[in-house]
Amino acid sequence: EDKVVQSPLSLVVHEGDTVTLNCSYEVTNFRSLLWYKQEKKAPTFLFMLTSSGIEKKSGRLSSILDKKELFSILNITATQTGDSAIYLCAGNTGNQFYFGTGTSLTVIP
Amino acid sequence: DTEVTQTPKHLVMGMTNKKSLKCEQHMGHRAMYWYKQKAKKPPELMFVYSYEKLSINESVPSRFSPECPNSSLLNLHLHALQPEDSALYLCASRNVVLNEQFFGPGTRLTVL
Repeated sequence: EDKVVQSPLSLVVHEGDTVTLNCSYEVTNFRSLLWYKQEKKAPTFLFMLTSSGIEKKSGRLSSILDKKELFSILNITATQTGDSAIYLCAGNTGNQFYFGTGTSLTVIP
Repeated sequence: DTEVTQTPKHLVMGMTNKKSLKCEQHMGHRAMYWYKQKAKKPPELMFVYSYEKLSINESVPSRFSPECPNSSLLNLHLHALQPEDSALYLCASRNVVLNEQFFGPGTRLTVL
């Protein structure tokens, strides 16, 4: 059975801290892994990763994929209150996306 | 432009009503999706259209009926819904080459 597991389920940090969110996957015919940020509305796209070891970066956010160990991490440095959200990862097989249950991040001023 | 639009933003309907949700994208994406999302849960796949043909139907009750009139539009027709169908309904489209999937803002549906 295809599945994606995220950890931790929730995280509370202070502004300025660095956080690492984890996503492990067991997805048959895996093609890519996607990260999303969801605040009160729809998920917004952050990254799509297909190759191991190549870091993708956008501002204070970065992500990397390990296809041998079947996991990905999302790093957020110098966290801000605006980073408070649920972060979702999803394994893709082409037409199908398998979502994890998300990590709820709260950044305290 | 990575925009997927959805209408309406909010919908309240009775159990005997018929309504439709609409989704549109102009990114040339050839795969479009309907997801249902309950509070504090991840999106749950309902339907996938690939090149305007229904390719995945995740055992969704027949009171939900999808339609893909053309490569830019996706509809979800609703009939005789139950209160437990109240949720955020998300449309998404995927670039079939790059595999990036983008969500619309969603329709918040309440069934009374």
